Amino acid sequence: SQTIHQWPATLVQPVGSPLSLECTVEGTSNPNLYWYRQAAGRGLQLLFYSVGIGQISSEVPQNLSASRPQDRQFILSSKKLLLSDSGFYLCAWNRAATNEKLFFGSGTQLSVL
Amino acid sequence: DAKTTQPTSMDCAEGRAANLPCNHSTISGNEYVYWYRQIHSQGPQYIIHGLKNNETNEMASLIITEDRKSSTLILPHATLRDTAVYYCIVRVVYSGGGADGLTFGKGTHLIIQP
Repeated sequence: SQTIHQWPATLVQPVGSPLSLECTVEGTSNPNLYWYRQAAGRGLQLLFYSVGIGQISSEVPQNLSASRPQDRQFILSSKKLLLSDSGFYLCAWNRAATNEKLFFGSGTQLSVL
Repeated sequence: DAKTTQPTSMDCAEGRAANLPCNHSTISGNEYVYWYRQIHSQGPQYIIHGLKNNETNEMASLIITEDRKSSTLILPHATLRDTAVYYCIVRVVYSGGGADGLTFGKGTHLIIQP
């Protein structure tokens, strides 16, 4: 069976510090991968998605970047965090070339202080 | 993706059926209706989806009107653990290739009362 792992679960970082959130998927190959963010009291916003290694598409311009160094690994990064980067970050995957449902990770609660 | 309209919040008594409405009056013929839910501080969870016909699985039933402009998610016997935000989403059918990230609105906050 497929599983998605996301870590850390919570993170408190000072403004201006770097960020690295990691997500891995097991039990499948060549998945589509996604990063979402949910600000407090708001809906989910799609940040990045990837259809393959090294292929990243950005949905919104911002202080964040994403990378996919391996088939089932998706990383969200920032060189210098802003207060507005605080939120609940979710990684998700689905099977490529289908209309299948999204599977979400358990999320990372990021607080930038 | 077509826009959906859902009530902001709803209450339901434990053990009763919870009926969550969703309007999607501009839905296209090739767009599915999907339902997800998000329990506080967790990732969204897929519930059910459908195109034209009513659907049922172990979690819920999905009733889609004949004109497909609205749908209702039914949780037949709500429990306290069903308290969550429920998202109704419509999206096109992808025949191959590309990524299809969903667009989540604000959903309906369903509160199950003991």
